[in-house]
Amino acid sequence: QVQLVESGGGVVQPGRSLRLSCAASGFIFSSYGMHWVRQAPGKGLEWVALIWYDGSNKYYGDSVKGRFTVSRDNSKNTVYLQMNSLRAEDTAVYYCARDGIRVGDYWGQGTLVTVSS
Amino acid sequence: DIQMTQSPSTLSASVGDRVTITCRASQNISSWLAWYKQKPGKAPKLLIYKASNLETGVPSRFSGSGSGTEFTLTISSLQPDDFATYYCQEYNSDYTFGQGTKLEIK
Repeated sequence: QVQLVESGGGVVQPGRSLRLSCAASGFIFSSYGMHWVRQAPGKGLEWVALIWYDGSNKYYGDSVKGRFTVSRDNSKNTVYLQMNSLRAEDTAVYYCARDGIRVGDYWGQGTLVTVSS
Repeated sequence: DIQMTQSPSTLSASVGDRVTITCRASQNISSWLAWYKQKPGKAPKLLIYKASNLETGVPSRFSGSGSGTEFTLTISSLQPDDFATYYCQEYNSDYTFGQGTKLEIK
């Protein structure tokens, strides 16, 4: 069965960096693009980034452009989100989700990132 | 950038009611729209993709319609498990989500 498991969240000071991971299993990972989506406490969903199946194209939401970088290692079935220059407003649960015509058909359980001094 | 506007923001209804949630796009997104259901503390769950296609395993009381800039999600007869927050998402270009509609028990 398809599984997406995020890790790497935690408490980090403003201006510091953090890298999230999303480990995939149960499907041909190298055939699918992958999204990162976040949700601040008590708020709605915000799309963060997309990486194509082969890593050849990457897209970002305006609020993270220039600070966050999405990457993937198809040999490890893992997608990453490198988050630099973190701000208080980046505090959120971060989810990875599978792309496709049935966009978001599978999601991870999320990992909480708290940016606080 | 595409803006997605959902209405209403909150909807109060009773078990057995028929409810409709609307999502409007600021520009033409063809049929590239998805609907999700989210319960507190849980990841979103895909209900409808490409505007009107029911995801596998989703009850048939859920349906989606629309194209271009106006879309609707309809639940034909509310069940207790349906009380949740619903989001639309365009995936024509920006992957923008609507702000959400909280469906509450009346």
